[in-house]
Amino acid sequence: QVQLQESGPRLVRPSGTLSLICSVSGVSVTSSAYYWGWVRQPPGKGLEWVGSIFHSGSAYYNPSLRSRVSISGDTSKNHYSLKLNSVTAADTAVYYCARHVANRGSLDNWGQGTLVTVSS
Amino acid sequence: DIVMTQSPLSLSVTPGEPASISCRSTHSLLHNGNHYLDWYLQKPGQSPQLLIYSVSHRASGVPDRFSGSASGTDFTLKINRVGADDVGVYYCMQSLQTPHTFGQGTKLEIK
Repeated sequence: QVQLQESGPRLVRPSGTLSLICSVSGVSVTSSAYYWGWVRQPPGKGLEWVGSIFHSGSAYYNPSLRSRVSISGDTSKNHYSLKLNSVTAADTAVYYCARHVANRGSLDNWGQGTLVTVSS
Repeated sequence: DIVMTQSPLSLSVTPGEPASISCRSTHSLLHNGNHYLDWYLQKPGQSPQLLIYSVSHRASGVPDRFSGSASGTDFTLKINRVGADDVGVYYCMQSLQTPHTFGQGTKLEIK
């Protein structure tokens, strides 16, 4: 059974760096059948795609965040990571990691999500 | 960016009645014979879950009360007979191009 689990600090100071890990079980992050993404949801608002990383290691980001965001993978630990720097209160959100099906982009498996609050 | 526009933004339905949600894209989502358009349901307090992929294919475990269709850049999700378990926010999402983009969401409630 495939499972994705987000972990990381729940509180980040303004201008600091948000760092999250998505631990994947039941499938290898190196599988060419999938790629791996992050989606966020500010409290009471809709969903926003943050970025995704392919098994090749190439990553694509939302242009609205591009200069501040990076996604990387660790195949030895079967997880991938999100870093968002220079955060503000606007980055407060539930962050979900999710699996894309490679040949159609659908997000077919989601983590439970973790609320990250940016506050001093 | 491809903009996805959903309507209505909220929907109140009597149990057992049908419901329909629309999603319009600013660009064609057709590539190599596939439409890169999915529907998700986020039930209260839960993560989103995939309902429909590639316009009309139900994800594993999704009842056949749910169906999807397309006409050009207009996409429709239909629920045949709405039940209490269908409450939540429905989102369309395009994955043809990055940034992948979601519609604003349609909140479905039961009368």
